[in-house]
Amino acid sequence: DQQVKQNSPSLSVQEGRISILNCDYTNSMFDYFLWYKKYPAEGPTFLISISSIKDKNVDGRFTVFLNKSAKHLSLHIVPSQPGDSAVYFCAASAGGSSNTGKLIFGQGTTLQVKP
Amino acid sequence: ETGVTQSPTHLIKTRGQQVTLRCSSQSGHNTVSWYQQALGQGPQFIFQYYREEENGRGNFPPRFSGLQFPNYSSELNVNALELDDSALYLCASSRAGTLNTGELFFGEGSRLTVL
Repeated sequence: DQQVKQNSPSLSVQEGRISILNCDYTNSMFDYFLWYKKYPAEGPTFLISISSIKDKNVDGRFTVFLNKSAKHLSLHIVPSQPGDSAVYFCAASAGGSSNTGKLIFGQGTTLQVKP
Repeated sequence: ETGVTQSPTHLIKTRGQQVTLRCSSQSGHNTVSWYQQALGQGPQFIFQYYREEENGRGNFPPRFSGLQFPNYSSELNVNALELDDSALYLCASSRAGTLNTGELFFGEGSRLTVL
């Protein structure tokens, strides 16, 4: 069973506009959520994270929103830039921020930002 | 500060053979996790090593085994290779027990093709 789902395989946005990537999860034990970005031929790189005790976390152009009742989180990128074009993975952990070696990943969403 | 390095980057094996993949963790990191990423999917947790012992395992059969060495580097061994083992194998390191963003640092991966 897929505990973390990213239902949109791809997303295309215009440079300067907002990109919104969505993620749903089913396991109520998840208490820490992360977003990773992956370019071709590179390993995933960490973008931003959020604890289940919060509903929003901001880091520059990136904001993650968490709706625990809906078991849904989203990543907002504003403004989007062509360099943001990559595959974005949502991931979840049941061990807090100090135990994220065992992450459950979604399938990924490919973001294309057009100049 | 050196990042996570993996070797080899690409390799081709035939069914029934055995393979060993290697990973050097980032300086100061004492925990190594291995993930399998099939084409078009998100990374899937194989196992984690901490203090040279397996510390959690995903849904993978016993023919997937690993080691962690005193210098925190690690190996992933896969016996009796099957066609479905063809994937990108990612190693990630972290420092256990610290309050942080929870991010894992990934290597670029080893692309295994089983013919």
